[in-house]
Amino acid sequence: EPEVTQTPSHQVTQMGQEVILRCVPISNHLYFYWYRQILGQKVEFLVSFYNNEISEKSEIFDDQFSVERPDGSNFTLKIRSTKLEDSAMYFCASSAERGFDNEQFFGPGTRLTVL
Amino acid sequence: AQSVAQPEDQVNVAEGNPLTVKCTYSVSGNPYLFWYVQYPNRGLQFLLKYITGDNLVKGSYGFEAEFNKSQTSFHLKKPSALVSDSALYFCAVRPVTGGFKTIFGAGTRLFVKA
Repeated sequence: EPEVTQTPSHQVTQMGQEVILRCVPISNHLYFYWYRQILGQKVEFLVSFYNNEISEKSEIFDDQFSVERPDGSNFTLKIRSTKLEDSAMYFCASSAERGFDNEQFFGPGTRLTVL
Repeated sequence: AQSVAQPEDQVNVAEGNPLTVKCTYSVSGNPYLFWYVQYPNRGLQFLLKYITGDNLVKGSYGFEAEFNKSQTSFHLKKPSALVSDSALYFCAVRPVTGGFKTIFGAGTRLFVKA
């Protein structure tokens, strides 16, 4: 069964450093998403991406965040200057079809720890 | 504000007994409703969804959920629990007019005892 994969599984960085979280969505999917879950809190939507542009973003997704699909298979989330409060589990997801009723398939997550 | 509530942090049930994991929501209009399950070190796995039609929705691994519009609830159920059902369960809502943004509950940990 095809799966969404994410690398690395755990990233430790110093405050102020840039990090790039990587995701490989399911190959025939066209819609891509990032969510985050701060420890002990809810899963929160960050951004959705389609046709090489952001289609939606939450208030969390400020100027320090960016997303990119650099090569047709990877989907990345960049945090330009990390803050302590960026420490969280970051989940990538993808879905096949347009239609807000379609289920999203999630990766296993990257745990980001900012020191 | 739009929100999803899972009132129980943990649900304990004996193997073979029925289980219920509760979810209520507060969104404007009619939402799309989802249940996801998360096993250790794995991503969220889709279980089932309610879009429209029959209020009782059947999903993967023998799970089902009942949409109750008047109570704004979407409780997850299974007639006979298995030890392997032990995991973290998330209820999620996507407002019909809300695009792709999905609002998640805090999660309920299900523990099934042999």
